[in-house]
Amino acid sequence: SQELEQSPQSLIVQEGKNLTINCTSSKTLYGLYWYKQKYGEGLIFLMMLQKGGEEKSHEKITAKLDEKKQQSSLHITASQPSHAGIYLCGAQFTGGGNKLTFGTGTQLKVEL
Amino acid sequence: DAGVIQSPRHEVTEMGQEVTLRCKPISGHNSLFWYRQTMMRGLELLIYFNNNVPIDDSGMPEDRFSAKMPNASFSTLKIQPSEPRDSAVYFCASSLAGGSGEQFFGPGTRLTVL
Repeated sequence: SQELEQSPQSLIVQEGKNLTINCTSSKTLYGLYWYKQKYGEGLIFLMMLQKGGEEKSHEKITAKLDEKKQQSSLHITASQPSHAGIYLCGAQFTGGGNKLTFGTGTQLKVEL
Repeated sequence: DAGVIQSPRHEVTEMGQEVTLRCKPISGHNSLFWYRQTMMRGLELLIYFNNNVPIDDSGMPEDRFSAKMPNASFSTLKIQPSEPRDSAVYFCASSLAGGSGEQFFGPGTRLTVL
């Protein structure tokens, strides 16, 4: 979707390295959702951010939403092979009900 | 809870045939979403329902696609007639409207139209 840009498209990192994935919206977000998808499977919910400046962490994954609520980042610390997959951000916009517009995804590979 | 259930998991059909994809949402969820995922276009919302009523079908590609939700525990997405460009993975997701907005996804149906 042109409303939501995700970068990078793909990423290869060595095990133990940190990495960041970005998601940028052309409009102010009502909510921002991060999902992970393994090949051939459905999406698994990671985190949801709604307030400007909000930050949430789960194990080694941290997601942030900027103050203007137009940009979010997902940071993985000390990456592991289990982190490999496709990461997608989904945007909820004001007036859009509870539907989500998804970014194009970031394919992450973690090399041993 | 069994999660969102989709059937079939894989479907191979010939161009021109009718295809019906099925979805059972999580019990108690009142919003249901149908998505299509392709390499070229990513994950696109086709249609979503609140309380069994279609709210936004602007993502439905054309008249060949139709979706129904006859009750709170069942939905279908039908393609008639199917075309090779319909080949994709189709996901169903459900959520609790008014809740956190988190959508729970099914495992998807991989459709191949020859």
